[in-house]
Amino acid sequence: GAGVSQSPRYKVAKRGQDVALRCDPISGHVSLFWYQQALGQGPEFLTYFQNEAQLDKSGLPSDRFFAERPEGSVSTLKIQRTQQEDSAVYLCASSLSSEEQYFGPGTRLTVT
Amino acid sequence: QKEVEQDPGPLSVPEGAIVSLNCTYSNSAFQYFMWYRQYSRKGPELLMYTYSSGNKEDGRFTAQVDKSSKYISLFIRDSQPSDSATYLCARPSGGSYIPTFGRGTSLIVHP
Repeated sequence: GAGVSQSPRYKVAKRGQDVALRCDPISGHVSLFWYQQALGQGPEFLTYFQNEAQLDKSGLPSDRFFAERPEGSVSTLKIQRTQQEDSAVYLCASSLSSEEQYFGPGTRLTVT
Repeated sequence: QKEVEQDPGPLSVPEGAIVSLNCTYSNSAFQYFMWYRQYSRKGPELLMYTYSSGNKEDGRFTAQVDKSSKYISLFIRDSQPSDSATYLCARPSGGSYIPTFGRGTSLIVHP
């Protein structure tokens, strides 16, 4: 079946621009996670949804980062006033419960 | 200091070699660990998980935890070029299964 999809796959933004990254989880998956992966590093947790409820946003690095999942399905990660340090791959994952997570291919964000 | 540490490599081996990938962890209370594989330009995929006692085997892969030295190992037998990827060790954070990842070790298996 279809896996987790993310769009766009690549995004180049000028410093100060706002960006929106989309995640389509596996159909029926209740839990959705966002991670940030810097070059040469492992993924770092950003935030977690169960259905439409954002249960944990402790990993969001600043108030410029905002995530939503209004209907408990598709999720959007928004970054306002992008900075160069925001350049990374943003990974989305979904799961039926909170156990095995299925990751999407990621969105590579480059801030120039 | 990160909670799980890995040497980034790259580790380059010939096809058919036995590969040993290692992590160290800082907190002896950790009971459960995971290994993920990440191909270039893809998301991580769960390979296997293991509890802090004993080994776990799955095909050509064996995960092992040494509690006394706080060492986690993943062994790959009869390595193949298709095993070339970054291998990430992780442990679940808090009371959930949300993984806290190491930085990953890049493995290259050459024909």
